[in-house]
Amino acid sequence: GAVVSQHPSRVICKSGTSVKIECRSLDFQATTMFWYRQFPKQSLMLMATSNEGSKATYEQGVEKDKFLINHASLTLSTLTVTSAHPEDSSFYICSARDIGGEFSPLHFGNGTRLTVT
Amino acid sequence: GQNIDQPTEMTATEGAIVQINCTYQTSGFNGLFWYQQHAGEAPTFLSYNVLDGLEEKGRFSSFLSRSKGYSYLLLKELQMKDSASYLCAVVDSNYQLIWGAGTKLIIKP
Repeated sequence: GAVVSQHPSRVICKSGTSVKIECRSLDFQATTMFWYRQFPKQSLMLMATSNEGSKATYEQGVEKDKFLINHASLTLSTLTVTSAHPEDSSFYICSARDIGGEFSPLHFGNGTRLTVT
Repeated sequence: GQNIDQPTEMTATEGAIVQINCTYQTSGFNGLFWYQQHAGEAPTFLSYNVLDGLEEKGRFSSFLSRSKGYSYLLLKELQMKDSASYLCAVVDSNYQLIWGAGTKLIIKP
């Protein structure tokens, strides 16, 4: 089945530094990738929708200058958390939809657990 | 507003059957997903329903009634590894995924 690879799986960084998370679709092309964030004991919250070759669409309340998204190819999207702070510590998950269309299931990466000290 | 309701927690016995309900009120409907999520892991796809009726896939089945805004996930022959959270998510008219808060399923021996 379709596989989405997300890297790194776990990262610890100091406050004020930037962290880049990669999301790759390994055996299919994804025009659209989604970035989610999950705080402990809460549901997944959509942060932004990443479209290949165009600017990402951010959900209300998500700072586009802080969470930089680049979807440069049909198989790769990156999320960069800039000037990270402890409150950015969370579980970040990407997902991708096959180029086949909106009714295709979303395939999720394994997630990145970010800890900002 | 948009709303997805699921029970917060359910408990069942190994080998038994459990039904997890999901009701939704969304702006438009383009399908409903069920995902399984083990603690600390990303969700994994279980099922997708866009037409009314029952979809069976091994031990898991999912049912949808669009007129009632209702779905359920049925798990048969429960195993300990089925202990997880089960997330219901609806695709709305803008193709946004609206997520429920998830149902934590506890399986007891």
